[in-house]
Amino acid sequence: DVKVTQSSRYLVKRTGEKVFLECVQDMDHENMFWYRQDPGLGLRLIYFSYDVKMKEKGDIPEGYSVSREKKERFSLILESASTNQTSMYLCASRFRFRQSNQPQHFGDGTRLSIL
Amino acid sequence: GENVEQHPSTLSVQEGDSAVIKCTYSDSASNYFPWYKQELGKRPQLIIDIRSNVGEKKDQRIAVTLNKTAKHFSLHITETQPEDSAVYFCAAGDSGNTPLVFGKGTRLSVIA
Repeated sequence: DVKVTQSSRYLVKRTGEKVFLECVQDMDHENMFWYRQDPGLGLRLIYFSYDVKMKEKGDIPEGYSVSREKKERFSLILESASTNQTSMYLCASRFRFRQSNQPQHFGDGTRLSIL
Repeated sequence: GENVEQHPSTLSVQEGDSAVIKCTYSDSASNYFPWYKQELGKRPQLIIDIRSNVGEKKDQRIAVTLNKTAKHFSLHITETQPEDSAVYFCAAGDSGNTPLVFGKGTRLSVIA
């Protein structure tokens, strides 16, 4: 069974802090994703990574950056946290198989509060 | 790019009744359509998916139908039970590496 692990379930930080959210998957998946989930807005894609060292902007990348130095780990960075970044953050990974889209597997999420 | 619309946003049904959630997509290149269920406080989990070479797929009480001409697909849950209460997300994707595009979700409540 695919295991996507996010380092924290709950996190409280202060405005202006640099915040790191970590995600690790154990299935050697090439693709990894970061979403934020807000009521009524569904899952919005922040950044994704096709493979190690690669990153692409999603729909709402402003205020965020990412790092993928190892295949199993994908980090989301809030450079200077603001209150409007209070949200649930979900990481996902996916196996890349030729030209066929595959299911994305999600972690349990990190509920981040910025005070 | 792809845009996925999902309706309704909330749905209440009596236990034992059927529930239907509908999604439309805009990109004719999309060929993969998964459905995710997210229970309160838990991760979204894949419950069923369908590819464009198939019109319908069933798994026990859940089924998904796809109409490629009309660019819409639907989730059908029969004989609903209280444990079906959750938020359901549809998604669409094309070939290869592009991320799935998700609908905004439907909160299903099954009333005992």
